[in-house]
Amino acid sequence: AQRVTQPEKLLSVFKGAPVELKCNYSYSGSPELFWYVQYSRQRLQLLLRHISRESIKGFTADLNKGETSFHLKKPFAQEEDSAMYYCALINNQAGTALIFGKGTTLSVSS
Amino acid sequence: ETGVTQSPTHLIKTRGQQVTLRCSSQSGHNTVSWYQQALGQGPQFIFQYYREEENGRGNFPPRFSGLQFPNYSSELNVNALELDDSALYLCASSLPGQGEAFFGQGTRLTVV
Repeated sequence: AQRVTQPEKLLSVFKGAPVELKCNYSYSGSPELFWYVQYSRQRLQLLLRHISRESIKGFTADLNKGETSFHLKKPFAQEEDSAMYYCALINNQAGTALIFGKGTTLSVSS
Repeated sequence: ETGVTQSPTHLIKTRGQQVTLRCSSQSGHNTVSWYQQALGQGPQFIFQYYREEENGRGNFPPRFSGLQFPNYSSELNVNALELDDSALYLCASSLPGQGEAFFGQGTRLTVV
């Protein structure tokens, strides 16, 4: 079964500390993975996707097929990074539908 | 260019009733997906429409149905509402074959 697991419900760090939000997936074939973010009072929006291999707002994520992981990392957290983060993959049996993890709340304090 | 808009923003219904939620897709996007997000959970895929045809369906019963119109706007209909249907319903539009989805602000449905 296709599945996304985010083991941490809440991650609290201090400003300037490194951040790693964990994501593991179960998928047969070549997955297409994303990180979506929801800031307070805003709608869900794309943060980054693995195929573009880009860095957005200082965040990066590398697909590790051996470990079936797609962890989100940032070397120095900022208070404005506080948000809910969802890892997602495309369900290839339903068009471009997304399978989401349960999400991790990142709280960055000074 | 306008974003994805959903209406209404909040709704309260009684168990057994029927509800219709509406979504206008982002300009130029012909693919619309609906998701249910229960409290503390990630969004769960309900179904997707592409050019007015259902293009995929998640694990939801037939009382969840939808439509897509020629202008690519969409409706989600839920019959025989149950208490567990209380959730945030999200609509997302995208271009075909593109994984990036643009989400609306959601409709908060409460079933009492």
